[in-house]
Amino acid sequence: GAVVSQHPSRVICKSGTSVKIECRSLDFQATTMFWYRQFPKKSLMLMATSNEGSKATYEQGVEKDKFLINHASLTLSTLTVTSAHPEDSSFYICSARGTLTNEKLFFGSGTQLSVL
Amino acid sequence: GQSLEQPSEVTAVEGAIVQINCTYQTSGFYGLSWYQQHDGGAPTFLSYNALDGLEETGRFSSFLSRSDSYGYLLLQELQMKDSASYFCAVEQAGTALIFGKGTTLSVSS
Repeated sequence: GAVVSQHPSRVICKSGTSVKIECRSLDFQATTMFWYRQFPKKSLMLMATSNEGSKATYEQGVEKDKFLINHASLTLSTLTVTSAHPEDSSFYICSARGTLTNEKLFFGSGTQLSVL
Repeated sequence: GQSLEQPSEVTAVEGAIVQINCTYQTSGFYGLSWYQQHDGGAPTFLSYNALDGLEETGRFSSFLSRSDSYGYLLLQELQMKDSASYFCAVEQAGTALIFGKGTTLSVSS
């Protein structure tokens, strides 16, 4: 089946630093990628939708200047958490949909971000 | 907007059968998916229904009634490893999945 690789799996950083999370589709081209955030014991909340070659679409309440999303190629999308603070600590998960219509979403393995 | 309702917790014993219900409200409904997530892991796809009826995949089955905006996930012959969170998620054509709040299933021996 299709594989989505997400890196890093875990990151610990100091408050005020920026962290970049990469999401790659390894064996298919992903025209659309989605970024989710999940707090412990909670649901996955959609943060933004990124389309290759265009600006990301952010969900209401998500700060676009804080969570920078870049989808520069059909196989790579990145999420950069800028000037991270402890309240940004969370599990971030990307997912990708292939170029064909009606394809199901494939999820990365997630990134656990801890901001000290 | 969209909303999904599913029970927060379900408990069962090994070998039993469990049904996790999901009701939804959404515009432009395209399909209902079910995902399993173990602590610390990413969601893994279990089942998908776009049309009314039952879809069976091994020990897991999923049902959808579009007219009732209702679906369920049926887990048979429960095993300890089935202890996890289960999410229903609605799909609108070409967009992201919107997830329910999840049901924590605890299987005991």
